[in-house]
Amino acid sequence: ETGVTQSPTHLIKTRGQQVTLRCSSQSGHNTVSWYQQALGQGPQFIFQYYREEENGRGNFPPRFSGLQFPNYSSELNVNALELDDSALYLCASGTGVSPLHFGNGTRLTVT
Amino acid sequence: AQKITQTQPGMFVQEKEAVTLDCTYDTSDPSYGLFWYKQPSSGEMIFLIYQGSYDQQNATEGRYSLNFQKARKSANLVISASQLGDSAMYFCAMREGRDDKIIFGKGTRLHILP
Repeated sequence: ETGVTQSPTHLIKTRGQQVTLRCSSQSGHNTVSWYQQALGQGPQFIFQYYREEENGRGNFPPRFSGLQFPNYSSELNVNALELDDSALYLCASGTGVSPLHFGNGTRLTVT
Repeated sequence: AQKITQTQPGMFVQEKEAVTLDCTYDTSDPSYGLFWYKQPSSGEMIFLIYQGSYDQQNATEGRYSLNFQKARKSANLVISASQLGDSAMYFCAMREGRDDKIIFGKGTRLHILP
């Protein structure tokens, strides 16, 4: 079985720009969720998608948005980037009952 | 109030010794799951072990075991016979109900000494 893959691995953006991060779910998984992990902290839940609809959201502003596609791959979009958005962004896939399997993450730096 | 508390920011353990990483949790949901993840410096989040709230026995996975004390709301990770490769950040996490929102603790950085 293929695992969760994320792209790109690293990304540098300027404040105010927009960014799109991508994730391919593990085969057989139908949910995808995104987490933000600031340096030295535990991951924070951003949102979750199931059947191409958002069905859970953490304490993140609307400029964080996402998509899930029919093949269960997903995108995380962040508009109007701020310096505090610099973090490791983790994608995870699951089935709602199984343990989540995470990708290797995308490290975003906002300058 | 924090839902997941890991009170040990860092630990140093001699190779081949057993190590216990502490985790306490807080929830009013009768159905929940508890996880431990390992995060090496590379950043990947590696699933180690899972304990469901209705599971009668403590979970074990190879050298990892979860000491689940429901009344105390405690879910400590025990690593037997530690190895140098166990040096990493360890996160305790909880899922309430049936969705994929996982709440993580702040983590414990484990250093295994040769």
